[in-house]
Amino acid sequence: QVHLVESGGGLVKPGGSLRLSCAASGFTFSDYYMSWIRQAPGKGLEWVSYLSSSGGTIYYAASVKGRFTISRDNARDSLFLQMNSLTAEDTAIYYCAGGGSFYYGMDVWGQGTTVTVSS
Amino acid sequence: DIQMTQSPSSVSASVGDGVTITCRASQGIGNWLAWYQQKPGKAPNLLISTASRLQGGVPSRFSGSGSGTDFTLTISSLQPEDFATYYCQQANSFPLTFGGGTKVEIK
Repeated sequence: QVHLVESGGGLVKPGGSLRLSCAASGFTFSDYYMSWIRQAPGKGLEWVSYLSSSGGTIYYAASVKGRFTISRDNARDSLFLQMNSLTAEDTAIYYCAGGGSFYYGMDVWGQGTTVTVSS
Repeated sequence: DIQMTQSPSSVSASVGDGVTITCRASQGIGNWLAWYQQKPGKAPNLLISTASRLQGGVPSRFSGSGSGTDFTLTISSLQPEDFATYYCQQANSFPLTFGGGTKVEIK
């Protein structure tokens, strides 16, 4: 059964850092591109970052570029998001999601992990 | 960046009604469009890719159409489990962008 499980969320002060993880199972993780998507409280979906299956291509949303770093470990079927210089605007549920090709949308999603940035 | 505009932002309908949601891209995206359904407290679920391709397990009452800049998601006969928020997402180029969402509520 296809499964993605995020972890690492929590409460952090403005300017702080967090590292999110996403553990995959039930599919060939190394064949999938992966993304992080976030959803602020009561708001819509916002794409954050993309990482190709091999790890060779990376994109970031302008709102996080220079502060967030996406990475993956295909040997451990894991995706990561290092988040630095956090602000209140980064408060959201963070989902990892992916698919076989980004042209075809994201057909696997985790349940999300909540990040709250507050003093 | 490609802006995705969904309408309406919300719609009230009854079980058995048909509902159509529109998504417009700020520039042409071919058929590189996906539709998602999200229920409260849950992750989104991919319903349709490449504008009209139904994902496995998605009921046939859902259909998608369009190309270029104008797309629609149609639910032919609403069922109780269809009351949710629906998002379109362009998959043509980065940054990937989502529409603002359409909440389908029970009348």
